[in-house]
Amino acid sequence: AQSVTQLDSQVPVFEEAPVELRCNYSSSVSVYLFWYVQYPNQGLQLLLKYLSGSTLVKGINGFEAEFNKSQTSFHLRKPSVHISDTAEYFCAVSENNAGNMLTFGGGTRLMVKP
Amino acid sequence: EAGVAQSPRYKIIEKRQSVAFWCNPISGHATLYWYQQILGQGPKLLIQFQNNGVVDDSQLPKDRFSAERLKGVDSTLKIQPAKLEDSAVYLCASSYRQGTEAFFGQGTRLTVV
Repeated sequence: AQSVTQLDSQVPVFEEAPVELRCNYSSSVSVYLFWYVQYPNQGLQLLLKYLSGSTLVKGINGFEAEFNKSQTSFHLRKPSVHISDTAEYFCAVSENNAGNMLTFGGGTRLMVKP
Repeated sequence: EAGVAQSPRYKIIEKRQSVAFWCNPISGHATLYWYQQILGQGPKLLIQFQNNGVVDDSQLPKDRFSAERLKGVDSTLKIQPAKLEDSAVYLCASSYRQGTEAFFGQGTRLTVV
């Protein structure tokens, strides 16, 4: 069975500073990997996804993530955050032989301070 | 294109009452999901439909939860009777087919008192 661990429940950071949100997964088969963002009282919006190919994936709003198969990680990064990036971020995994049933991590709350 | 529509947005019920949520997926999307998101946690898949057939309902508490997707379009999720621990946001999502990006609705926030 697949699982996802987001190591930090909250990440406070000052505006314009870089940020990294960590995600590790476990699975016995090849996987697809996703990062979603959830703003207050909103549904989830896809930031980026890794299906195959280049391990560095660029997404919306200046975010990027790198797939590291040996470390089973898919950390999310942004070189300079804005106040508007304050939200909950979820890492998710889908085993690519099981449709796209997503298993989510517990989420990381990014808090950007002025 | 229109997104995934869910209603109601909010619902407050007493324990042991029943409740139903409705979801209208993006037009043409064959795959539909219901997720439960308890406060402070990530979403947990309850059930996945492919057209009007169930692909996975292994995490659906079948003694009180039921879901259907008649005609392979709209879906309803029902809880009967509700318990306090059912308080959560219920998210509906759809995708064009298995293996493609899932689009989420805004969710229904259920409070059981």
